[in-house]
Amino acid sequence: AQSVSQHNHHVILSEAASLELGCNYSYGGTVNLFWYVQYPGQHLQLLLKYFSGDPLVKGIKGFEAEFIKSKFSFNLRKPSVQWSDTAEYFCAVNAGYQKVTFGTGTKLQVIP
Amino acid sequence: NAGVTQTPKFQVLKTGQSMTLQCAQDMNHNSMYWYRQDPGMGLRLIYYSASEGTTDKGEVPNGYNVSRLNKREFSLRLESAAPSQTSVYFCASSELRADQPQHFGDGTRLSIL
Repeated sequence: AQSVSQHNHHVILSEAASLELGCNYSYGGTVNLFWYVQYPGQHLQLLLKYFSGDPLVKGIKGFEAEFIKSKFSFNLRKPSVQWSDTAEYFCAVNAGYQKVTFGTGTKLQVIP
Repeated sequence: NAGVTQTPKFQVLKTGQSMTLQCAQDMNHNSMYWYRQDPGMGLRLIYYSASEGTTDKGEVPNGYNVSRLNKREFSLRLESAAPSQTSVYFCASSELRADQPQHFGDGTRLSIL
């Protein structure tokens, strides 16, 4: 069975700081990987996704993620965070069984 | 473009009461899902429907039933609500492909007293 681990539960950064959120998954075969963002009081929205090709994926709002197959990782990065990035971030994996598995989420708080 | 629409947005029930959460999507997606979101536990899949006419259990199906009424609509029913079912419920839909993202509704905040 596929599983996803997000080790950072709560991250606090000052504006302009760099961000890296960890995501590790366990599944030996081909996977499709996603990062979603949930702004306060809103539903989840897609930030970016990886399914094949270039392991460095760029998403909306300046976010990017790197798929490292040997490490089973798909970490999310942003060079300079803004107050508006305050949200909860979820990593998810779909190994092709129509059941997406989500991580437990990382709450990011950006201090102006 | 409405996307995924959930009703109601908020609901308070007493233990033992029943209710149905409604979900409809207008993106012609084959697959639909019901999740619950609890603090520190992320999203956990309750039930899903890969295509019209099929439903399958997810990670936490106990206490719930679902109906895929047609391609657009996927409802979640609590037959006898329990306090442990207090949660935020999200409906989602997607294309029937593993590389396609899910599109989420705005959620239903359900409290069971």
